[in-house]
Amino acid sequence: DAGVTQSPTHLIKTRGQQVTLRCSPKSGHDTVSWYQQALGQGPQFIFQYYEEEERQRGNFPDRFSGHQFPNYSSELNVNALLLGDSALYLCASNPRNTGELFFGEGSRLTVL
Amino acid sequence: AQSVTQLGSHVSVSEGALVLLRCNYSSSVPPYLFWYVQYPNQGLQLLLKYTSAATLVKGINGFEAEFKKSETSFHLTKPSAHMSDAAEYFCAVSANAGGTSYGKLTFGQGTILTVHP
Repeated sequence: DAGVTQSPTHLIKTRGQQVTLRCSPKSGHDTVSWYQQALGQGPQFIFQYYEEEERQRGNFPDRFSGHQFPNYSSELNVNALLLGDSALYLCASNPRNTGELFFGEGSRLTVL
Repeated sequence: AQSVTQLGSHVSVSEGALVLLRCNYSSSVPPYLFWYVQYPNQGLQLLLKYTSAATLVKGINGFEAEFKKSETSFHLTKPSAHMSDAAEYFCAVSANAGGTSYGKLTFGQGTILTVHP
């Protein structure tokens, strides 16, 4: 049983560019959440998707957007990249009615 | 609103010694509490969780934590440290409100555990 898978694992962008990160949830999970983990910090909640809609959102600007597909996979898009967007982006999935999240290994974004 | 404070960004112990990582939380609703471990360049792995059942929670790799409502604490302990326990540990809280609260965790800043031979 595959766990949460994320792609790409590493990527480098320049300021002003746009990036798309992808996540496939663990089998049987219909809810996907995205977190940003800056170096030396704990993860911060970006947003959560289920039934293909954004359900909750953390304190992140509109440059951060997402999507969930009918197969429950998800994308995180970040527009107009800033140096401060450099971080490890973690995807987590859970079944709707339990609080146990399973995390992927993350996508490390470097913005130059 | 919820928050987590982890006391001590770095903890160093000798192999075989007691591990104690401190976590205090603030929550306006009954909380769910979690401890996660993160090894270098990896994602987060769940060690244990408190979800309003037994206050003493046992997790993987010999770790356990006790929920103390009066102290708003959820400290993580292990009786005897092993070299393989060296990692970063995160305490997290979510609202025990069901539905959309699941998935939205508030994490502490993390505690790096170093284990000396």
